[in-house]
Amino acid sequence: QQQVKQSPQSLIVQKGGISIINCAYENTAFDYFPWYQQFPGKGPALLIAIRPDVSEKKEGRFTISFNKSAKQFSLHIMDSQPGDSATYFCAASRTGGSYIPTFGRGTSLIVHP
Amino acid sequence: KAGVTQTPRYLIKTRGQQVTLSCSPISGHRSVSWYQQTPGQGLQFLFEYFSETQRNKGNFPGRFSGRQFSNSRSEMNVSTLELGDSALYLCASSLELAGGDEQFFGPGTRLTVL
Repeated sequence: QQQVKQSPQSLIVQKGGISIINCAYENTAFDYFPWYQQFPGKGPALLIAIRPDVSEKKEGRFTISFNKSAKQFSLHIMDSQPGDSATYFCAASRTGGSYIPTFGRGTSLIVHP
Repeated sequence: KAGVTQTPRYLIKTRGQQVTLSCSPISGHRSVSWYQQTPGQGLQFLFEYFSETQRNKGNFPGRFSGRQFSNSRSEMNVSTLELGDSALYLCASSLELAGGDEQFFGPGTRLTVL
């Protein structure tokens, strides 16, 4: 059973455009929602994370929007750049150690110059 | 500060063999988690070790095992390799338990089973 569903599987945007990736989770016990960025040949790297006590978190061009009632969260990349071309993973877990991090299947983002 | 290191980076084995992968976490990190990454299944959690104790385990057969040493370095072992074990194996370390803490991933070990 996939506890975190991520969409779309792939995304192509033009330079300067907005990239939006969505995730939905099932377990209401989750309280930590990170997004990871992975370049070919590298391990994933934390991009930005949010906890359910806020509905939005922004770091530079990257914003997480969180909807607790809908059990959904999304990553918005503003002014997308070719250097943003990578695979993005959302994840959900719970602080305290009894829950394991569960990842979405990933979104392959290509930003055309 | 050095990042998470994994050795070897690439490995080719045949069915039935066993393999041991190594992970050195960031200095001071007490948690090490292992993940299997494949194109079809994405990132799947194998297990987590914290202060030499296995704290969490994913849904993988007993052929997959691991351990953590007193210096937090961790090893993962896969016995009786199957073709389906071909994957990128990622190690991640964090200061505290992985559930609510930032994880730092290594570059992975690419395992190919022939």
